[in-house]
Amino acid sequence: AQSVTQPDIHITVSEGASLELRCNYSYGATPYLFWYVQSPGQGLQLLLKYFSGDTLVQGIKGFEAEFKRSQSSFNLRKPSVHWSDASVLFCAVGAGGGKLIFGQGTELSVKP
Amino acid sequence: DAGITQSPRHKVTETGTPVTLRCHQTENHRYMYWYRQDPGHGLRLIHYSYGVKDTDKGEVSDGYSVSRSKTEDFLLTLESATSSQTSVYFCAISEGGVGTDTQYFGPGTRLTVL
Repeated sequence: AQSVTQPDIHITVSEGASLELRCNYSYGATPYLFWYVQSPGQGLQLLLKYFSGDTLVQGIKGFEAEFKRSQSSFNLRKPSVHWSDASVLFCAVGAGGGKLIFGQGTELSVKP
Repeated sequence: DAGITQSPRHKVTETGTPVTLRCHQTENHRYMYWYRQDPGHGLRLIHYSYGVKDTDKGEVSDGYSVSRSKTEDFLLTLESATSSQTSVYFCAISEGGVGTDTQYFGPGTRLTVL
């Protein structure tokens, strides 16, 4: 069965420090992979997505993610975190028919 | 921002009462989805629609029904609400059913069942 695992439930990072959030997926075919961000009290917004080509994908707000097929991973990175990045971040895999399967989410806190 | 509205935004109801949540879009997108968000579970798909009067079940469809009589509106009904249906409900839309399509999310409805 398709699934997505985000091992880190909550991460705290100092402002200006780098960030890497882990995402592992289980999917039989070539995966379509997404990262979404949820700001407090808001809906979800797409950060970036991967479906083919270059395995390093650039997104909005300075985020990037790297697809590694051998590790079934799609980790999210940002070189320098800003206080406004505090949010909940979700990794998701496309499950056919336009459906998405989400991970549990990682809550990101930013220390001043 | 994609034109998606959800109503109501907040609702408190009692166990056993029927509840209907509405999702309205102005994008003319074919696909619409209902998710619920619960701590530790991320978002889980309840039902989705791939056209007017065309709907299908998602991962957690028990206790929920949906209807889509117009392209722009997708209704989620809890026939007899239970406390386990206390959650935040999100509607999403996408242009087509292709796996690469981006889903755009509404602002959510917080439902509390007492």
